[in-house]
This record gives sequence, C-alpha cells and structure tokens, in this order.
Amino acid sequence: GDSVTQMEGPVTLSEEAFLTINCTYTATGYPSLFWYVQYPGEGLQLLLKATKADDKGSNKGFEATYRKETTSFHLEKGSVQVSDSAVYFCALSYSGAGSYQLTFGKGTKLSVIP
Amino acid sequence: NAGVMQNPRHLVRRRGQEARLRCSPVKGHSHVYWYRQLPEEGLKFMVYLQKENIIDESGMPKERFSAEFPKEGPSILRIQQVVRGDSAAYFCASSPGSFYEQYFGPGTRLTVT
Repeated sequence: GDSVTQMEGPVTLSEEAFLTINCTYTATGYPSLFWYVQYPGEGLQLLLKATKADDKGSNKGFEATYRKETTSFHLEKGSVQVSDSAVYFCALSYSGAGSYQLTFGKGTKLSVIP
Repeated sequence: NAGVMQNPRHLVRRRGQEARLRCSPVKGHSHVYWYRQLPEEGLKFMVYLQKENIIDESGMPKERFSAEFPKEGPSILRIQQVVRGDSAAYFCASSPGSFYEQYFGPGTRLTVT
C-alpha cells in the first residue's frame, strides 16, 4: 500500500540555520503531497502542498518540490526561527474519490534554539 | 473562530473498559474524519462521517470500534473493551466538504493500562 517515510527526529537547530526534513513516498499512482505542521498544544495545520510533478509548494518561508523521479517531497527553509519549533508531517492523498484519505509519515520534531 | 475541539486531551483506561473520544468540528463543518497514530507510526485514516451518516469506515478495526456524528452534538469515537494495543493518539479533522482542506484538532492521547 501507499506509505510516507520521513527522516527520524528530533532535529535541533540554532536560529537562522538551514532546515531540510526529508520525505519520500511509495504510491501506486500520482498523489498530491502535503506538509502539515503541529505547534505545541494545537492541531495539525496545512503548511503547503503540491499536486503534480515538479510543482513547488511554499508558505511562510518553507518550500518543497514534488520530485516524481526520486519520489520525494523534502521540506526546506533557509533560516529557521524559534517560532518554527513544531512537529512536521509529510502526507499524501489522491484526487477524486477517496481524496479525503490522507496518509501521513511519523512526523519529525523540530526544536530551534536561540 | 474556534478550531476543532477534542476532549479529553488525555484519557487513561484500564483494559476492558470503554473509551469515548469527542470531537467538535469547526462551526459550519458537516464532515468529520478520525485518524489514529500508533506509537512510532504515522497517522492512519479510520473513518469519514457526515451528519448522521458513515461515509467510509474502511480504516476502522472491525470489532470494538464505532463512530457516530449525530445531528446535534459532537462526533464520538467509541472503543469498547480497550486493550493495550489501542494506546495511541486519536486525531479528529473536519471540513466543509469532502474535497476541502481538513482542519485538525489537537488529538486525544489514550493510554490503556
């Protein structure tokens, strides 16, 4: 079945460091890909998404590019802030019937220290 | 606007007891989804409900688990005769329609002792 694999956490970075969180997927078709973020005590929020190969999703300084050839959707940010400390989830779903079924990775906890 | 509310946030049950998890969707949302995150795993889809209807329960364990979303009040995920393997975080999400973004609650962490 479909699955999403994320890099193991936790990840600890200093403020203004460069962030990469790796995400690869296994899917039978051509899914849409998502990054969700969960801040402490809150629900998961959609951070960005891409619906087809070579699309780049971006939001709040984060970006990720849908790479069909490597089945990857790595999350990057050029300069992290303390406020970016959260758990990040990579996910996929298919368009059309059943598109509401999201398949998530385990999540990667990021801590940014001043 | 209030987001998705889940309660309780933490629930401890002994083996054999019943667990009831509640989810109040975003105001105006009539579609609710439940996901489960077992230790060391990603969130997995369990069930999709609209008001008074179960649309897709393909991810629900066949026994002991049930879900409802009544005309009035929150959605309820009910687990009867809990076992240690039910210990997990249970997340609820809501949306205004099935092709819309899902808004997630903070989750309920169930511990079975």
